[in-house]
Amino acid sequence: RKEVEQDPGPFNVPEGATVAFNCTYSNSASQSFFWYRQDCRKEPKLLMSVYSSGNEDGRFTAQLNRASQYISLLIRDSKLSDSATYLCVVKVGNTDKLIFGTGTRLQVFP
Amino acid sequence: DTAVSQTPKYLVTQMGNDKSIKCEQNLGHDTMYWYKQDSKKFLKIMFSYNNKELIINETVPNRFSPKSPDKAHLNLHINSLELGDSAVYFCASSQTPGDGEAFFGQGTRLTVV
Repeated sequence: RKEVEQDPGPFNVPEGATVAFNCTYSNSASQSFFWYRQDCRKEPKLLMSVYSSGNEDGRFTAQLNRASQYISLLIRDSKLSDSATYLCVVKVGNTDKLIFGTGTRLQVFP
Repeated sequence: DTAVSQTPKYLVTQMGNDKSIKCEQNLGHDTMYWYKQDSKKFLKIMFSYNNKELIINETVPNRFSPKSPDKAHLNLHINSLELGDSAVYFCASSQTPGDGEAFFGQGTRLTVV
């Protein structure tokens, strides 16, 4: 089983739609969680950290469910500029490594 | 002013050659990384240095040799290139080891023919 798993998509949604991505992780010792965004042929960039209590940044909401070992990202009112690949990232507590999922591709159409 | 810059951006070379990729960060971070992103878009850490000391060395063939002359620079030298080495190599840096906020360079697209 992969350490971090995501549905690769693509998710094709119209502008204005709400879309949600899930990510599961296998190591229960994982302590920190993040969502990164990677545009086509560009480098990954941090989108947001995921806190135990959940957190919101504008149209983006991240949630963590430790019992079920998954994290989610909700995007409301999708914009064309949201089209990208969203990478789920997990840090296992006893290492200094960030483990990246393979990403979920989002395509927002007009 | 680019925070993490790596050169070259594109590298096309023949099997068996030796090549180097350079990386520099001007963020004052202590930690730098090399990641490999393969054709399936899987991004995997290769090496990590903290204050010029190697702290993570994943199962990477010893044809790959990183070198950190100072904490702002991390270079990657690859000997005897193979077809399977074709990938995008990203340099990154963070304030401390394993910090979730890592800043990536624009990537070096290596094609071995």
